[in-house]
Amino acid sequence: AQTVTQSQPEMSVQEAETVTLSCTYDTSESNYYLFWYKQPPSRQMILVIRQEAYKQQNATENRFSVNFQKAAKSFSLKISDSQLGDTAMYFCAFMTPYTGNQFYFGTGTSLTVIP
Amino acid sequence: EPEVTQTPSHQVTQMGQEVILRCVPISNHLYFYWYRQILGQKVEFLVSFYNNEISEKSEIFDDQFSVERPDGSNFTLKIRSTKLEDSAMYFCASSARTSGNEQFFGPGTRLTVL
Repeated sequence: AQTVTQSQPEMSVQEAETVTLSCTYDTSESNYYLFWYKQPPSRQMILVIRQEAYKQQNATENRFSVNFQKAAKSFSLKISDSQLGDTAMYFCAFMTPYTGNQFYFGTGTSLTVIP
Repeated sequence: EPEVTQTPSHQVTQMGQEVILRCVPISNHLYFYWYRQILGQKVEFLVSFYNNEISEKSEIFDDQFSVERPDGSNFTLKIRSTKLEDSAMYFCASSARTSGNEQFFGPGTRLTVL
C-alpha cells in the first residue's frame, strides 16, 4: 500500500524568509513520481513541483525546490524568499503506474506567510 | 490558460436523493479522475476514466457511484442514493497523458447531504 504523511498541519513564515515543508511516503514500488500541489484559499490545486523517483537530482522551480531522499522516503519542499501569495494549503502527493496513476495525497500543510 | 471547471460549487441534497456533479476537463486531455475530501481528512481517489471506460476505481467507488462522459466536453459523477457520509468536497481532475504526469484539478464541488 502507498501512504503519504505530512506531519506539519500548520506552519507560518515571515515574508522573504525560507520555509521547509515535510513529507514522507511509503511504497515498495521502484517507479514512482512525487508532487507538491498548492491550494490557495478558495482556489483549485495547482502543481508546484514534480520529482521522478529515478532522477537523483532534486527538482527546482524558481523559488521552490525539493530535497528528495529516496532511501529515507522523504520529499520535503523548500520555499525561498516567501511571498504573501505563497499562503495556501500544500499537499504532497505520490503516484505510481503500478496502481493506475492515481494520486495518493498527504493531509496537507497550511502555510501562512506573515507580512 | 485552460482550466478544469466544476459545477455546481455547492450542492445541498437530502439523504437518498440522486446528485450529479459536473466537470469540464481541459479540452485536449484524455484521462479523467474524481477525488473526494471529507472535511479534515485526506484527498482520496475515487475513479479514473479513459477511452470512455473506467480504468481504475477505489473501494469507495461502490455501486452507488457512476461516471459518464455524455458528450465531448463534460465528465460527470453520479451518486444514486446519497448518504450522510457522502458529504465531502469532490474534485475532478484531468491529464493529457498518464504515467507520471501532472493532473489538473478543478475547484471542487462541496456536497452536503442532510
